Amino acid sequence: DQQVKQNSPSLSVQEGRISILNCDYTNSMFDYFLWYKKYPAEGPTFLISISSIKDKNEDGRFTVFLNKSAKHLSLHIVPSQPGDSAVYFCAAIRGRNNNDMRFGAGTRLTVKP
Amino acid sequence: DTGVSQNPRHKITKRGQNVTFRCDPISEHNRLYWYRQTLGQGPEFLTYFQNEAQLEKSRLLSDRFSAERPKGSFSTLEIQRTEQGDSAMYLCASSTATGGPYQPQHFGDGTRLSIL
Repeated sequence: DQQVKQNSPSLSVQEGRISILNCDYTNSMFDYFLWYKKYPAEGPTFLISISSIKDKNEDGRFTVFLNKSAKHLSLHIVPSQPGDSAVYFCAAIRGRNNNDMRFGAGTRLTVKP
Repeated sequence: DTGVSQNPRHKITKRGQNVTFRCDPISEHNRLYWYRQTLGQGPEFLTYFQNEAQLEKSRLLSDRFSAERPKGSFSTLEIQRTEQGDSAMYLCASSTATGGPYQPQHFGDGTRLSIL
């Protein structure tokens, strides 16, 4: 059951422009969302998160937006840099003590110099 | 903070053999998780420990899969009677249970299993 979906397998943007990565979920019980970045031959690295009680969280060049009514979240990277080129995974957790984190299939971001 | 360490990085074995992977979490982390990742997919949760207690194991893929964390430090994931479909990347992650309800999980670089 694919409860977290990333419908764009890849995205290419120019250096300095905005990258927008999207994620949809189906389970309204999810109450915490995370984004991970993964380089080849490495494990995923935590990037940014947001609680379901918020609609925006910002950390430097990275901002995550949550639209609960649409069950949609997005990650904005501004400005994009070549080092941001990686696979980005959206993930969601349900319940305070539930550590069963569900991941999307990932979006491969390529930032061109 | 030396990060989450997984060994071996690669494992090639014949179908029907048993394999065991090891994970050493970040030292102050008391929660440890195992995931499986297949090509083109995100990590799939398998099981998790808080200290030595295995608090969730219903997502283990079959009874051929088992995990232990005997002293609440390192963990092992064993797959018995391996099958072709077990070929995947096996990821371990750890987190702390303090500092708020949701602490991000920190991942190791994984063990890639190939079944011949």
